[in-house]
Amino acid sequence: AQTVTQSQPEMSVQEAETVTLSCTYDTSESDYYLFWYKQPPSRQMILVIRQEAYKQQNATENRFSVNFQKAAKSFSLKISDSQLGDAAMYFCAYKPRDNLFFGTGTRLTVIP
Amino acid sequence: DAGVIQSPRHEVTEMGQEVTLRCKPISGHDYLFWYRQTMMRGLELLIYFNNNVPIDDSGMPEDRFSAKMPNASFSTLKIQPSEPRDSAVYFCASTFSVTKGNTIYFGEGSWLTVV
Repeated sequence: AQTVTQSQPEMSVQEAETVTLSCTYDTSESDYYLFWYKQPPSRQMILVIRQEAYKQQNATENRFSVNFQKAAKSFSLKISDSQLGDAAMYFCAYKPRDNLFFGTGTRLTVIP
Repeated sequence: DAGVIQSPRHEVTEMGQEVTLRCKPISGHDYLFWYRQTMMRGLELLIYFNNNVPIDDSGMPEDRFSAKMPNASFSTLKIQPSEPRDSAVYFCASTFSVTKGNTIYFGEGSWLTVV
C-alpha cells in the first residue's frame, strides 16, 4: 500500500519565524516525485514545491525548502520568515506514476 | 494562461436531484483527474482519464456517480440521485503525459451541498 502520513494535524508559528512540517510516506518504488500543496481558506490547491526522488539535492523555492531523506522516506517542508499569508492547510503528496496520494494535511496558523 | 476551470463554484441542491459538475483542463494536458475532499476522508481520487479515456475509476463511490470526457477540453462528473453524504468539494485537475514528475494542477473546486 502507498500511504502518506502527516503526523501534525496543527502547527503554529510566530510571524517571521521558521516552521517545519513533517511528512513520511510508504512505498516500494525507487523513482517517484513528492509535492507540497497549500490550501488556503478559498480551498484552492496551490503547488508549493516539488522534489524528484532521484535527486539528492533538496528543492528550494524562495522561503520554502524541503528536507528529503529517501532512505527514511521522509519529506519535510521548512517555511522560513513566515508570513501571515502562509496560514493554510498544507498537504504532502506522493506521485509514483499517474496519480497523487495525499496526506491528511497540517493546518498552519501564523501568529502576528 | 488559463488554469483548470471548474463550474459551478458552489451548488446547493436537494437530495434526489441530479448534479453535474464541469471541468475544462489546461490546454495541452492529456491527463484529467477528479478528486473529492471531505473532512472525514480527506482528498481522494475518484477517476482519471488519459487522452479522454477513463483509466482508473476504482475511486468512484457507487453507481450514482459517473464521469465522462467527450473531448480533450471538457469533462463532467455527474451524481444522480444526489445524497447528503455527497456534500464535499470536488476538484478537477490536469497534467501533461505520463512522466512521473509532471505537476498536477488543480481547479478552484466545486463546493457541493446536498440538503
